[in-house]
Amino acid sequence: AQKVTQAQTEISVVEKEDVTLDCVYETRDTTYYLFWYKQPPSGELVFLIRRNSFDEQNEISGRYSWNFQKSTSSFNFTITASQVVDSAVYFCALNSYSSASKIIFGSGTRLSIRP
Amino acid sequence: DGGITQSPKYLFRKEGQNVTLSCEQNLNHDAMYWYRQDPGQGLRLIYYSQIVNDFQKGDIAEGYSVSREKKESFPLTVTSAQKNPTAFYLCASKSTDYTEAFFGQGTRLTVV
Repeated sequence: AQKVTQAQTEISVVEKEDVTLDCVYETRDTTYYLFWYKQPPSGELVFLIRRNSFDEQNEISGRYSWNFQKSTSSFNFTITASQVVDSAVYFCALNSYSSASKIIFGSGTRLSIRP
Repeated sequence: DGGITQSPKYLFRKEGQNVTLSCEQNLNHDAMYWYRQDPGQGLRLIYYSQIVNDFQKGDIAEGYSVSREKKESFPLTVTSAQKNPTAFYLCASKSTDYTEAFFGQGTRLTVV
């Protein structure tokens, strides 16, 4: 079975704090991809990053960084020096070999950054 | 500009009526998807299509129907059989397996 769990329903931090969003996934496939999306209040999902199962290198893009650990089946997302514009709902997603074209989403984490 | 266009942005439906949500993409993507999102909830897959003239049920297909007559278009009909249709509907597309999906701006459907 394929599953994505985002245990943090809501997080609220003060601006400039660092914040980490957790994502735990389940799959028996050895080939799979993981994604993070941002959903601002406007509603459209914005793609942030894709990571394949054979590449465990961490990635940094500006204030965003991602930590992929196959040993714990986790793909966590950290925002450094958070800003009010980071306030949104963030989704982690999984696309694996046995699920073919189906993309499985976690339930999302609502992040609020207070000024 | 290339992208996915959903229309209308807001839609009101009377109980017992069928309504059709439009989704068009000019990204030349093979696969298209429809998701439903309820307030404070994640995305649930309604239907998806990997090629023209073929589509598969997702996790919550009951009360919905789709067609895929053209590569660019994947309309979703919410039928009167859908007992609780009020929700935010998102359409997405992607080119091949394992690539990221791109989303439209969504349609907010309200039953009045």
